[in-house]
Amino acid sequence: SQELEQSPQSLIVQEGKNLTINCTSSKTLYGLYWYKQKYGEGLIFLMMLQKGGEEKSHEKITAKLDEKKQQSSLHITASQPSHAGIYLCGADINSKLTFGKGITLSVRP
Amino acid sequence: DAGITQSPRHKVTETGTPVTLRCHQTENHRYMYWYRQDPGHGLRLIHYSYGVKDTDKGEVSDGYSVSRSKTEDFLLTLESATSSQTSVYFCAISDPVGGPPSGANVLTFGAGSRLTVL
Repeated sequence: SQELEQSPQSLIVQEGKNLTINCTSSKTLYGLYWYKQKYGEGLIFLMMLQKGGEEKSHEKITAKLDEKKQQSSLHITASQPSHAGIYLCGADINSKLTFGKGITLSVRP
Repeated sequence: DAGITQSPRHKVTETGTPVTLRCHQTENHRYMYWYRQDPGHGLRLIHYSYGVKDTDKGEVSDGYSVSRSKTEDFLLTLESATSSQTSVYFCAISDPVGGPPSGANVLTFGAGSRLTVL
């Protein structure tokens, strides 16, 4: 069973549009990590959220952690082609860092 | 980032042959991990190490072994490669702050090793 579910599976947006992707856990979240991966490359750390209600931003990307819902959302404002890639969420579950399957984001110029 | 390197980056081998992938770090991080990434399955933990000669299994450890004789090197070995082990393998390192589950554990990933088993 998948302990971290990401939705949607994939997303295509027009450049300039806003978008939100989600990561939902089947277990209590004590911390949530967002990573980005470009095709054929390794994962790059984006943000870490550790407290319920916490919100962090980096450039045009904002991530929030809803501890009660065991969910995190990642919002991109005014998407650009550079935002394209695979977004993965990860969490410490049973003392091991577990990842979701990832969401593939395509941004059309 | 040159702090973590994987070798080889690409390898094609035949079923039944042994394969070793190497992960080398220059960051002196305590933890090292091997993941595999497959379509439809995402990133899955194979083995990890929390110190020299200290290793533990992940969720997909069958058919794999690891060794860590030095802080900087973590080897993943497929004793007898099978086609189901065709995948992209990622090494990662971390130096967790505080213990699980609420401690911070940010991973730095290598560029990946693409393995094809024919």
